[in-house]
Amino acid sequence: AQSVTQLGSHVSVSEGALVLLRCNYSSSVPPYLFWYVQYPNQGLQLLLKYTTGATLVKGINGFEAEFKKSETSFHLTKPSAHMSDAAEYFCAVSQNSGNTPLVFGKGTRLSVIA
Amino acid sequence: DGGITQSPKYLFRKEGQNVTLSCEQNLNHDAMYWYRQDPGQGLRLIYYSQIVNDFQKGDIAEGYSVSREKKESFPLTVTSAQKNPTAFYLCASSIGFKGLNYGYTFGSGTRLTVV
Repeated sequence: AQSVTQLGSHVSVSEGALVLLRCNYSSSVPPYLFWYVQYPNQGLQLLLKYTTGATLVKGINGFEAEFKKSETSFHLTKPSAHMSDAAEYFCAVSQNSGNTPLVFGKGTRLSVIA
Repeated sequence: DGGITQSPKYLFRKEGQNVTLSCEQNLNHDAMYWYRQDPGQGLRLIYYSQIVNDFQKGDIAEGYSVSREKKESFPLTVTSAQKNPTAFYLCASSIGFKGLNYGYTFGSGTRLTVV
């Protein structure tokens, strides 16, 4: 069975500082990996995804993530935090053979301090 | 514009009543999903459907029911058997069940409160 662990339910950074949100996954087959962002009382929006190919994936709003198979990780980073980045972030995994829905982590709430 | 519409945005239900949440998409997606979100719990899968007239139970299907009579629509009924129905409900769709490299498109959610 697949699973996702997001380390830290709440991360706080200063405006302009590096953002690092951690995600580790468990999958018996090569995974598809996703990061989503959710603003209060809204649905989820896709930030970026890893399917195959380049392990460093660039997404919207300056975010990127690196797939590290040896570490079973897919951490999300942004060089410089902006106030508008304050939201909840979810990591998700699925099998690349299809046939199973996405499994989501519990989420990490990002706060940005002025 | 294509997208997923969930209605209503806020819903109040008395204990013992069934209530139906609407989810409509005009993206021509084959697969649709219902997730439940509680604080600190992430998203938990209730039901999903890969094709019209077919659906599968997710991890927390007890107390819920769905139908998929049309490709565009995947309503969720929260029955009186659901012991703790107060939550934020999210509907999503994807191009095809094996087309997961595109990810999901989500609706804006329905917040259900039992009063």
